[in-house]
Order: sequence, then C-alpha cells, then structure tokens
Amino acid sequence: EADIYQTPRYLVIGTGKKITLECSQTMGHDKMYWYQQDPGMELHLIHYSYGVNSTEKGDLSSESTVSRIRTEHFPLTLESARPSHTSQYLCASSGGSGASSTDTQYFGPGTRLTVL
Amino acid sequence: AQSVTQLDSQVPVFEEAPVELRCNYSSSVSVYLFWYVQYPNQGLQLLLKYLSGSTLVKGINGFEAEFNKSQTSFHLRKPSVHISDTAEYFCAVSAHSSNTGKLIFGQGTTLQVKP
Repeated sequence: EADIYQTPRYLVIGTGKKITLECSQTMGHDKMYWYQQDPGMELHLIHYSYGVNSTEKGDLSSESTVSRIRTEHFPLTLESARPSHTSQYLCASSGGSGASSTDTQYFGPGTRLTVL
Repeated sequence: AQSVTQLDSQVPVFEEAPVELRCNYSSSVSVYLFWYVQYPNQGLQLLLKYLSGSTLVKGINGFEAEFNKSQTSFHLRKPSVHISDTAEYFCAVSAHSSNTGKLIFGQGTTLQVKP
C-alpha cells in the first residue's frame, strides 16, 4: 500500500503570512515532487528532489522553496503568501530500480491553499 | 519538449454505456504514457501505463488504453462505466531520456456518469 501524506488538507490564510505545507511518505522513495494544480487545468511541476539534500526547480516558476533533509519528508514553504498563490498543491513520490521515467508516481491527497 | 492535449474537458455518459477519453501528445523524443485518475478530494492514482510491447494496455477498474504511435494518441476506454467511475482523468507523458521522472500532464477530462 502506497502511503503519502499531506497536511494540512485545507488552509485559509491572510496575505503576508509564512506557511509550510507538509509532505511525508513511508515507502522509502528517493524521488519526490511538488505539483501545482488550478481548477480545470493541468498539473505543473514546481519542485522535485532526487534524494536527501537534492532539490531542483520544476517547469513552472514558483516563489515557494523546498527542502529535503530526510528521505521521507519534503516540505514546501512560502515566506510571504499572496492571493496569487491560491491553488491546490500535490505532493508525489516515486522509486524503483529502473529508469525514473518509467516509475509510477504516488500522490498525496493535496493541500488546497486559499490566500485572502 | 513534450505537450499533452486531452480533447474533451467533460464527458457525460450514462451508467453501463461505453466511454472513450481522448489523449494526444506531441514530443520530439520517445515517451512513456500514463493515465491517472483523481477522485473528488483525493490525490491522483495510476490507472495504467504504456512502457513498451503490446500497444493495448489494461489497467485497474476495467480500463484499457491503446497506444497509437502514428497518430500520437493514447485514448482511454471502458466498455461499461459505473457511477463510481465519476472522476477527473489525466493523461501524462515522460520522456524516455528523463532522469527525473518528470511527468507532463494534460488538462484533464471530467467523466460524469449519470444513472
């Protein structure tokens, strides 16, 4: 059973606040991802990580930052939230002995962020 | 670069009817193909993927998809849908050469199964 958790599930916060979205997985996967999803739109990769102490920016420019200090944990931080950050954020992980491009990604339930 | 186009944003269908969700892709390199499903208030879950071999791929919940290289398509089908199939469906690709496993997603198709 694939287990990947995200907290909080819903967050409503005022402009200028610092927030951290949590993502944890119990599968020992080395690769982890953050996607941003707006209603009716495709998912866009904003950050990914190959493993501990490795993070890269994705295709969609984002003001958020990530860290990977432990294999199982990949938090996303916004230093100063703005209404333009309102979106759904999905975390995923993958791992396998083959090429990364064939791996199944396992997704968390998402965090729906609203910035007022 | 790769791109994915899902040709229908919404597909309404009656229960027990067949359904096809269309997906076309564009890529200058070889790709692997995926279909994911997102039920309300949940994360995405893999339905099926095409890596190599037979172009007809069978997935979970009775879904199947056919890879057509000449038409650069990967349409998803189910012969008889249930109410529980109501969800958002995403087609995605990853480049063979990718060492990141990065997925490029389509815009999604909402399948609405009516009783």
